[in-house]
Amino acid sequence: DVKVTQSSRYLVKRTGEKVFLECVQDMDHENMFWYRQDPGLGLRLIYFSYDVKMKEKGDIPEGYSVSREKKERFSLILESASTNQTSMYLCASSRLSGYEQYFGPGTRLTVT
Amino acid sequence: ELKVEQNPLFLSMQEGKNYTIYCNYSTTSDRLYWYRQDPGKSLESLFVLLSNGAVKQEGRLMASLDTKARLSTLHITAAVHDLSATYFCAVVSNTGNQFYFGTGTSLTVIP
Repeated sequence: DVKVTQSSRYLVKRTGEKVFLECVQDMDHENMFWYRQDPGLGLRLIYFSYDVKMKEKGDIPEGYSVSREKKERFSLILESASTNQTSMYLCASSRLSGYEQYFGPGTRLTVT
Repeated sequence: ELKVEQNPLFLSMQEGKNYTIYCNYSTTSDRLYWYRQDPGKSLESLFVLLSNGAVKQEGRLMASLDTKARLSTLHITAAVHDLSATYFCAVVSNTGNQFYFGTGTSLTVIP
């Protein structure tokens, strides 16, 4: 069964803190994605990766960075968290580009 | 950038009624997904539509794709409470690397 897991369901951080969100998939998928979900805005792509150590900017990469050192793991980093980064963060993976994306349960991040 | 408009944003309907959710997109694409999200949960894929005129059906849900009109519809037949959820369409860019999601339609089915 396909599985994407995220390190935390809920996270509360202070402004200026460095935040790491981890995502792991067990399907040997090539592609991994980070989205944020905000009411009325749908899902917006932050970064994606189509191979180990490769990354591409999505639509809203500012304030974020990513790391993919192993095929199964894709990390999202907020270098200095700000209140406007309070959101739901969803990780996804897909076997190949354009194929179905499988989503993790999400991390609800609150920055105070 | 590919733009995806989904409407309505909110839909409250009585059990047993029919309704349609619309997904319009701005540039050429030949692949579109519909996802469902239950409150507090993640997204699950419902359908993938791969060509013009494609139609997929599962239970009370039927999705279709018109690539010439750049329009997909998700039709709900004889709604039941279990269909209450948020539904998203996602259009795949021509490069195939990126999904563009609609804003979602929050559906509430009232007994």
